[in-house]
Amino acid sequence: EVQLVESGGGLVKPGGSLRLSCAASGFTFSSYSMNWVRQAPGKGLEWVSSISSSSSYIYYADSVKGRFTISRDNAKNSLYLQMNSLRAEDTAVYYCASSIAAAGDRFDYWGQGTLVTVSS
Amino acid sequence: EIVLTQSPDFQSVTPKEKVTITCRASQSIGSSLHWYQQKPDQSPKLLIKYASQSFSGVPSRFSGSGSGTDFTLTINSLEAEDAATYYCHQSSSLPLTFGQGTKVEIK
Repeated sequence: EVQLVESGGGLVKPGGSLRLSCAASGFTFSSYSMNWVRQAPGKGLEWVSSISSSSSYIYYADSVKGRFTISRDNAKNSLYLQMNSLRAEDTAVYYCASSIAAAGDRFDYWGQGTLVTVSS
Repeated sequence: EIVLTQSPDFQSVTPKEKVTITCRASQSIGSSLHWYQQKPDQSPKLLIKYASQSFSGVPSRFSGSGSGTDFTLTINSLEAEDAATYYCHQSSSLPLTFGQGTKVEIK
């Protein structure tokens, strides 16, 4: 069974940093592209970033480019999102999602999400 | 950026009724259109990939159709457990984008 468990969310002040993690199990992590998608409270879904299985291809939404960094460790079956220079508008539940397709394609399985709140 | 517009925004439906949700893209995206279901307080789940292919384990009452700019998600014989918000998503070009969502309520 595919399992994706996010962690690392919390309350942070504007301008602060946070690192999200996603622990994967139940599938061959190194063969899957991985993604971060966020959802602001009461709002719709917004794609944040994608990374290919070998980290060769990395994509970002314009809203986070230059501030967020996606990475993965295939030996640890883990996905990360380093978030710097956080803004109030980054407040959201952050989901990690896996896909057997190439990076920048569909999202097959989703984690339960971790809440990031940016507020002073 | 490709904008996806779903209609309707909200639909109240009785059980066993047929539900149709449409998603229109601002430019042609071929078949690079996917549908997700998000139940209250849950994470989204993939229902349909590439416009018409059912994802593993998805009940057969869910189906998708369309290509180019106009797409449809159909739920045949709605069940109470189908109360959720449904999102379309395009992967034709970056940035990846989602429709605004369609909330389906059970009467």
